[in-house]
Amino acid sequence: AQTVTQSQPEMSVQEAETVTLSCTYDTSENNYYLFWYKQPPSRQMILVIRQEAYKQQNATENRFSVNFQKAAKSFSLKISDSQLGDTAMYFCAFMEYNNNDMRFGAGTRLTVKP
Amino acid sequence: DTAVSQTPKYLVTQMGNDKSIKCEQNLGHDTMYWYKQDSKKFLKIMFSYNNKELIINETVPNRFSPKSPDKAHLNLHINSLELGDSAVYFCASSQGWGQGRQPQHFGDGTRLSIL
Repeated sequence: AQTVTQSQPEMSVQEAETVTLSCTYDTSENNYYLFWYKQPPSRQMILVIRQEAYKQQNATENRFSVNFQKAAKSFSLKISDSQLGDTAMYFCAFMEYNNNDMRFGAGTRLTVKP
Repeated sequence: DTAVSQTPKYLVTQMGNDKSIKCEQNLGHDTMYWYKQDSKKFLKIMFSYNNKELIINETVPNRFSPKSPDKAHLNLHINSLELGDSAVYFCASSQGWGQGRQPQHFGDGTRLSIL
Protein backbone atom coordinates (compact mmCIF):
# COMPACT_ATOMS: atom_id res chain seq x y z
CA ALA A 1 0.00 0.00 0.00
CA GLN A 2 1.15 3.49 -0.75
CA THR A 3 1.91 5.77 2.18
CA VAL A 4 2.35 9.51 2.22
CA THR A 5 4.38 11.20 4.95
CA GLN A 6 4.37 14.85 5.87
CA SER A 7 6.97 15.27 8.59
CA GLN A 8 6.09 18.84 9.55
CA PRO A 9 2.85 19.02 11.56
CA GLU A 10 3.10 22.80 11.82
CA MET A 11 5.04 25.56 10.13
CA SER A 12 4.97 29.33 10.13
CA VAL A 13 6.34 31.97 7.79
CA GLN A 14 6.41 35.72 7.66
CA GLU A 15 4.27 37.41 5.07
CA ALA A 16 6.10 37.89 1.74
CA GLU A 17 8.71 35.24 2.55
CA THR A 18 9.14 31.77 1.07
CA VAL A 19 8.31 28.50 2.77
CA THR A 20 8.76 24.88 1.73
CA LEU A 21 6.52 22.05 2.90
CA SER A 22 7.90 18.53 2.77
CA CYS A 23 6.25 15.37 1.53
CA THR A 24 7.63 11.90 0.92
CA TYR A 25 5.80 8.86 -0.32
CA ASP A 26 6.36 5.17 -0.71
CA THR A 27 5.36 3.25 -3.81
CA SER A 28 6.57 0.52 -6.10
CA GLU A 29 4.71 2.02 -9.05
CA ASN A 30 6.47 3.91 -11.82
CA ASN A 31 3.53 5.96 -13.02
CA TYR A 32 1.40 7.93 -10.60
CA TYR A 33 0.13 11.38 -9.72
CA LEU A 34 0.96 13.66 -6.82
CA PHE A 35 -1.11 16.53 -5.50
CA TRP A 36 -1.05 19.30 -2.96
CA TYR A 37 -4.40 20.32 -1.52
CA LYS A 38 -5.08 23.33 0.69
CA GLN A 39 -7.70 23.35 3.43
CA PRO A 40 -8.27 26.84 4.87
CA PRO A 41 -10.29 27.39 8.06
CA SER A 42 -13.39 27.45 5.89
CA ARG A 43 -12.83 23.68 5.57
CA GLN A 44 -12.90 23.54 1.77
CA MET A 45 -10.41 21.24 0.05
CA ILE A 46 -8.78 23.19 -2.76
CA LEU A 47 -6.37 21.73 -5.30
CA VAL A 48 -3.17 23.76 -5.30
CA ILE A 49 -0.93 21.92 -7.72
CA ARG A 50 -0.57 18.56 -9.46
CA GLN A 51 2.42 16.61 -10.77
CA GLU A 52 2.47 13.63 -13.12
CA ALA A 53 5.30 11.25 -12.26
CA TYR A 54 6.31 10.67 -15.88
CA LYS A 55 6.96 14.39 -16.33
CA GLN A 56 10.40 15.48 -15.21
CA GLN A 57 9.57 19.16 -15.23
CA ASN A 58 8.41 20.49 -11.89
CA ALA A 59 4.85 21.84 -11.88
CA THR A 60 4.30 25.52 -11.20
CA GLU A 61 1.13 27.48 -10.47
CA ASN A 62 1.81 31.17 -9.89
CA ARG A 63 3.42 31.46 -6.43
CA PHE A 64 3.27 27.69 -5.87
CA SER A 65 5.86 25.31 -7.23
CA VAL A 66 7.00 21.81 -6.44
CA ASN A 67 10.35 20.09 -6.21
CA PHE A 68 9.65 16.58 -7.47
CA GLN A 69 12.48 14.13 -6.85
CA LYS A 70 11.26 10.82 -8.21
CA ALA A 71 14.24 8.72 -7.16
CA ALA A 72 14.03 10.08 -3.64
CA LYS A 73 10.22 9.83 -3.67
CA SER A 74 9.99 13.40 -2.50
CA PHE A 75 7.43 16.02 -3.47
CA SER A 76 7.87 19.31 -1.64
CA LEU A 77 5.75 22.42 -2.09
CA LYS A 78 7.32 25.85 -2.22
CA ILE A 79 5.17 28.90 -1.59
CA SER A 80 6.80 32.16 -2.65
CA ASP A 81 5.77 35.63 -1.48
CA SER A 82 3.53 34.12 1.22
CA GLN A 83 0.23 35.85 1.80
CA LEU A 84 -2.05 35.86 4.81
CA GLY A 85 -4.61 33.95 2.76
CA ASP A 86 -2.17 31.07 2.43
CA THR A 87 -2.78 30.19 6.08
CA ALA A 88 -4.29 26.70 5.94
CA MET A 89 -3.71 22.99 6.32
CA TYR A 90 -1.78 21.61 3.37
CA PHE A 91 -2.19 17.98 2.36
CA CYS A 92 0.07 16.03 0.08
CA ALA A 93 -1.67 13.23 -1.81
CA PHE A 94 -0.71 10.28 -4.02
CA MET A 95 -2.73 8.49 -6.66
CA GLU A 96 -1.78 5.49 -8.78
CA TYR A 97 -1.90 5.98 -12.52
CA ASN A 98 -4.86 3.69 -13.21
CA ASN A 99 -6.62 3.97 -9.90
CA ASN A 100 -8.59 6.85 -8.44
CA ASP A 101 -7.75 5.82 -4.88
CA MET A 102 -6.09 8.97 -3.52
CA ARG A 103 -4.02 8.65 -0.35
CA PHE A 104 -3.39 11.70 1.79
CA GLY A 105 -0.61 12.63 4.17
CA ALA A 106 -1.40 13.80 7.69
CA GLY A 107 -1.18 17.45 6.70
CA THR A 108 0.96 20.46 7.61
CA ARG A 109 -0.65 23.43 9.31
CA LEU A 110 0.87 26.58 7.82
CA THR A 111 0.47 29.95 9.48
CA VAL A 112 1.46 33.10 7.62
CA LYS A 113 2.29 35.89 10.07
CA PRO A 114 1.89 39.57 9.27
CA ASP B 1 -23.03 27.41 -9.22
CA THR B 2 -21.76 25.06 -6.54
CA ALA B 3 -19.93 22.20 -8.21
CA VAL B 4 -20.11 19.61 -5.41
CA SER B 5 -22.72 20.28 -2.78
CA GLN B 6 -23.29 18.37 0.43
CA THR B 7 -26.21 18.64 2.78
CA PRO B 8 -26.36 19.21 5.62
CA LYS B 9 -23.21 21.20 6.47
CA TYR B 10 -23.61 20.39 10.14
CA LEU B 11 -25.33 17.41 11.73
CA VAL B 12 -25.64 16.93 15.47
CA THR B 13 -27.38 13.80 16.63
CA GLN B 14 -27.49 11.23 19.38
CA MET B 15 -25.70 7.94 19.53
CA GLY B 16 -27.73 5.10 18.05
CA ASN B 17 -29.59 7.22 15.51
CA ASP B 18 -29.58 6.70 11.74
CA LYS B 19 -28.67 9.62 9.51
CA SER B 20 -27.96 10.41 5.88
CA ILE B 21 -25.70 12.89 4.16
CA LYS B 22 -26.50 13.86 0.61
CA CYS B 23 -24.07 14.78 -2.15
CA GLU B 24 -24.73 16.13 -5.60
CA GLN B 25 -22.34 17.28 -8.30
CA ASN B 26 -23.23 19.31 -11.37
CA LEU B 27 -19.91 18.87 -13.15
CA GLY B 28 -20.98 15.96 -15.29
CA HIS B 29 -18.42 13.72 -13.59
CA ASP B 30 -18.94 9.99 -13.49
CA THR B 31 -16.87 9.18 -10.41
CA MET B 32 -17.78 10.18 -6.87
CA TYR B 33 -16.17 9.60 -3.48
CA TRP B 34 -16.71 9.81 0.24
CA TYR B 35 -13.85 10.72 2.55
CA LYS B 36 -13.71 10.91 6.33
CA GLN B 37 -11.56 13.50 8.11
CA ASP B 38 -11.05 12.76 11.78
CA SER B 39 -10.34 15.14 14.63
CA LYS B 40 -6.62 15.04 13.85
CA LYS B 41 -7.38 16.19 10.30
CA PHE B 42 -6.39 12.85 8.81
CA LEU B 43 -8.28 12.37 5.54
CA LYS B 44 -9.10 8.85 4.41
CA ILE B 45 -11.14 7.53 1.52
CA MET B 46 -14.20 5.48 2.39
CA PHE B 47 -15.95 4.72 -0.90
CA SER B 48 -15.72 5.44 -4.57
CA TYR B 49 -18.37 4.97 -7.23
CA ASN B 50 -17.79 5.04 -10.97
CA ASN B 51 -20.91 5.19 -13.14
CA LYS B 52 -23.00 4.20 -10.12
CA GLU B 53 -20.85 1.13 -9.53
CA LEU B 54 -18.93 0.66 -6.29
CA ILE B 55 -15.20 0.63 -7.05
CA ILE B 56 -13.45 1.36 -3.77
CA ASN B 57 -14.76 0.14 -0.45
CA GLU B 58 -12.19 0.62 2.25
CA THR B 59 -12.41 -1.05 5.63
CA VAL B 60 -15.48 0.77 6.77
CA PRO B 61 -18.09 -0.63 9.18
CA ASN B 62 -21.12 -1.94 7.35
CA ARG B 63 -23.19 0.59 9.27
CA PHE B 64 -22.05 2.92 6.48
CA SER B 65 -23.91 2.36 3.24
CA PRO B 66 -23.39 4.55 0.19
CA LYS B 67 -26.14 4.85 -2.37
CA SER B 68 -25.80 6.23 -5.87
CA PRO B 69 -29.18 6.70 -7.54
CA ASP B 70 -27.50 8.28 -10.56
CA LYS B 71 -24.09 9.53 -11.60
CA ALA B 72 -24.68 12.98 -10.13
CA HIS B 73 -25.55 11.78 -6.64
CA LEU B 74 -23.77 9.75 -3.98
CA ASN B 75 -25.48 9.68 -0.62
CA LEU B 76 -24.07 8.26 2.59
CA HIS B 77 -26.35 6.57 5.07
CA ILE B 78 -25.10 5.71 8.53
CA ASN B 79 -26.93 3.34 10.86
CA SER B 80 -26.60 3.12 14.64
CA LEU B 81 -24.29 6.08 14.96
CA GLU B 82 -21.39 5.77 17.40
CA LEU B 83 -19.23 8.36 19.13
CA GLY B 84 -16.30 7.45 16.88
CA ASP B 85 -18.29 8.46 13.83
CA SER B 86 -17.85 12.12 14.78
CA ALA B 87 -15.83 13.63 11.96
CA VAL B 88 -16.07 15.78 8.88
CA TYR B 89 -17.26 13.84 5.85
CA PHE B 90 -16.27 15.07 2.41
CA CYS B 91 -17.86 14.18 -0.88
CA ALA B 92 -15.78 14.57 -4.04
CA SER B 93 -16.10 13.91 -7.74
CA SER B 94 -13.83 13.55 -10.75
CA GLN B 95 -14.06 12.78 -14.42
CA GLY B 96 -13.30 9.24 -15.46
CA TRP B 97 -11.44 6.43 -13.77
CA GLY B 98 -7.71 5.96 -13.93
CA GLN B 99 -7.27 9.53 -15.02
CA GLY B 100 -5.35 11.11 -12.21
CA ARG B 101 -4.73 14.18 -14.30
CA GLN B 102 -8.41 14.93 -13.75
CA PRO B 103 -8.50 16.44 -10.28
CA GLN B 104 -10.99 15.56 -7.61
CA HIS B 105 -13.37 18.37 -6.71
CA PHE B 106 -14.45 18.41 -3.10
CA GLY B 107 -17.62 19.53 -1.40
CA ASP B 108 -17.47 21.77 1.65
CA GLY B 109 -17.79 18.88 4.06
CA THR B 110 -20.39 17.83 6.59
CA ARG B 111 -19.42 18.04 10.22
CA LEU B 112 -21.08 15.17 12.06
CA SER B 113 -21.15 15.39 15.85
CA ILE B 114 -22.45 12.51 17.94
CA LEU B 115 -23.69 13.32 21.42
